[in-house]
Amino acid sequence: GQQVMQIPQYQHVQEGEDFTTYCNSSTTLSNIQWYKQRPGGHPVFLIQLVKSGEVKKQKRLTFQFGEAKKNSSLHITATQTTDVGTYFCAGMGSQGNLIFGKGTKLSVKP
Amino acid sequence: SQTIHQWPATLVQPVGSPLSLECTVEGTSNPNLYWYRQAAGRGLQLLFYSVGIGQISSEVPQNLSASRPQDRQFILSSKKLLLSDSGFYLCAWNPGHRSSPLHFGNGTRLTVT
Repeated sequence: GQQVMQIPQYQHVQEGEDFTTYCNSSTTLSNIQWYKQRPGGHPVFLIQLVKSGEVKKQKRLTFQFGEAKKNSSLHITATQTTDVGTYFCAGMGSQGNLIFGKGTKLSVKP
Repeated sequence: SQTIHQWPATLVQPVGSPLSLECTVEGTSNPNLYWYRQAAGRGLQLLFYSVGIGQISSEVPQNLSASRPQDRQFILSSKKLLLSDSGFYLCAWNPGHRSSPLHFGNGTRLTVT
């Protein structure tokens, strides 16, 4: 079945360093969504990308959707301790189901 | 505004006991409703979804079942829990088309002993 692969699984950074997580799908996605889950919490929607090559920014977060609509990335500039958590991408597949990646767990050392 | 309520927050149940987790959504009508499970680790596994009252789709065969007795109520059940049913259960909803963003409840952390 359709899968969305997300790397890396874990990322440990020093506060102030940048962070990037990547998602790849074997099939074309109609859209891709990003969620953040704080430790002990529930996933919270961050953003949705729909158009090929789309780039969106939220303060220090930059989201990209690939030209072929098969990959996406989330980049955080100058990480802060408040960025700690697990970041999930979720792609909408041809069957109409949202397929979640396994997430990237980010830890930030102050 | 719309809100989603999920309870209980934590639950410890013995193997073989029944389970009932409830989720309700306020402030919207005819939402799509979902049950996800997140095992220790991090991935989100879709268990069931519903696009309307009495309409349930199961994504994976397992020891669980779901029901939607009312428009904004979604229930996850089991007749006999297994150790492997332990995990973090999340209810979610979205309006209209299923491609719209999901709004998750606070989750239920289930430990089967």
